[in-house]
Amino acid sequence: DTEVTQTPKHLVMGMTNKKSLKCEQHMGHRAMYWYKQKAKKPPELMFVYSYEKLSINESVPSRFSPECPNSSLLNLHLHALQPEDSALYLCASSRGADQPQHFGDGTRLSIL
Amino acid sequence: GNSVTQMEGPVTLSEEAFLTINCTYTATGYPSLFWYVQYPGEGLQLLLKATKADDKGSNKGFEATYRKETTSFHLEKGSVQVSDSAVYFCALCYVTGGGNKLTFGTGTQLKVEL
Repeated sequence: DTEVTQTPKHLVMGMTNKKSLKCEQHMGHRAMYWYKQKAKKPPELMFVYSYEKLSINESVPSRFSPECPNSSLLNLHLHALQPEDSALYLCASSRGADQPQHFGDGTRLSIL
Repeated sequence: GNSVTQMEGPVTLSEEAFLTINCTYTATGYPSLFWYVQYPGEGLQLLLKATKADDKGSNKGFEATYRKETTSFHLEKGSVQVSDSAVYFCALCYVTGGGNKLTFGTGTQLKVEL
């Protein structure tokens, strides 16, 4: 069982849809992360939030919009995605900057 | 820049065989080093960690030692099981921007057969 919960587990959407991915943790971790993982590749960092503020954006296209409403919740809003955005989207959290990241099981996203 | 090099997979072993997955890194300063494991259909799980030179991380029979002189962090297990079949990622970790950044190797797929 993972302590970082991601919903939904699977999502299929068209290129004109708007959807959101959700990530929740109740471990009191103050840093949260979004990653994109393509098949047979390592995860690629997209965003880092620290104390609910965006601290790192790895030059991600604006069709991905992160949001951190509170210390336990991280969202990723999706709009006008492209087929190449189909991937596994992973959320992670860490207690502090010098602590390991704990990952959720991801949302598998397919863009039609 | 920082980088991690892992041995190419897939690695196929018989149950109870000895496992070594090589990992070498290039880094400035003193990063922490991790091994993560990813089972099919799941996210990454932290397998073990080492935060400074000569530290040995261990968990579930797996071990790795942070070797600064050879810039290596090789993963070993004395006797693998079918349930160890997964993809293993070596990663170095830097503190930055209120969190930390992981630089991953390409991953090594391990298949253990009966």
